[in-house]
Amino acid sequence: DQQVKQNSPSLSVQEGRISILNCDYTNSMFDYFLWYKKYPAEGPTFLISISSIKDKNEDGRFTVFLNKSAKHLSLHIVPSQPGDSAVYFCAAGGLTGGGNKLTFGTGTQLKVEL
Amino acid sequence: GAGVSQTPSNKVTEKGKYVELRCDPISGHTALYWYRQSLGQGPEFLIYFQGTGAADDSGLPNDRFFAVRPEGSVSTLKIQRTERGDSAVYLCASSGKGLQETQYFGPGTRLLVL
Repeated sequence: DQQVKQNSPSLSVQEGRISILNCDYTNSMFDYFLWYKKYPAEGPTFLISISSIKDKNEDGRFTVFLNKSAKHLSLHIVPSQPGDSAVYFCAAGGLTGGGNKLTFGTGTQLKVEL
Repeated sequence: GAGVSQTPSNKVTEKGKYVELRCDPISGHTALYWYRQSLGQGPEFLIYFQGTGAADDSGLPNDRFFAVRPEGSVSTLKIQRTERGDSAVYLCASSGKGLQETQYFGPGTRLLVL
């Protein structure tokens, strides 16, 4: 049972445009969410997080939106840059199942083209 | 400061052999996590330590897998009688002790069982 889903395996965006990556979850006990970026042969790098008490969190070019009623979150990157090309993972955590473990989606490969 | 380090970066072994994977967390981080990432998937939780004790080992797939953290810092993931299906990237992460703390990942150990 995939509790965190990223239904788009890949996304291609032109440099300077907005990239929108989506994530859906099924477990209503999740209460915080994170986005990680991963380059080949490296570990995931933390990008941005959001607690379930908020619906938006912004950090520079990165904004995460959370819609709890729809169990949906999205990551917006604007403007997109070639260096943003990577695999993006959505992750969720919460008090269920031990508290601190994260459940990850399968990732979305973002390609930012010149 | 130094991030999470993992050794070895790559490990090739034969089916049936024993392997140990090491993780050195960020200094001062009391929580340490092990995840496993197979090709095309997101990281999957294995075990979580708070200090020296395993707070949640619900993700360990079977009793061939064992992890220790004897002094509350470095951790070792041990796999006995390796099988080809154990081939994956093994990721370690660390964080502070609170809930909703960001987990910071190491580069991973790529394990190949022939």
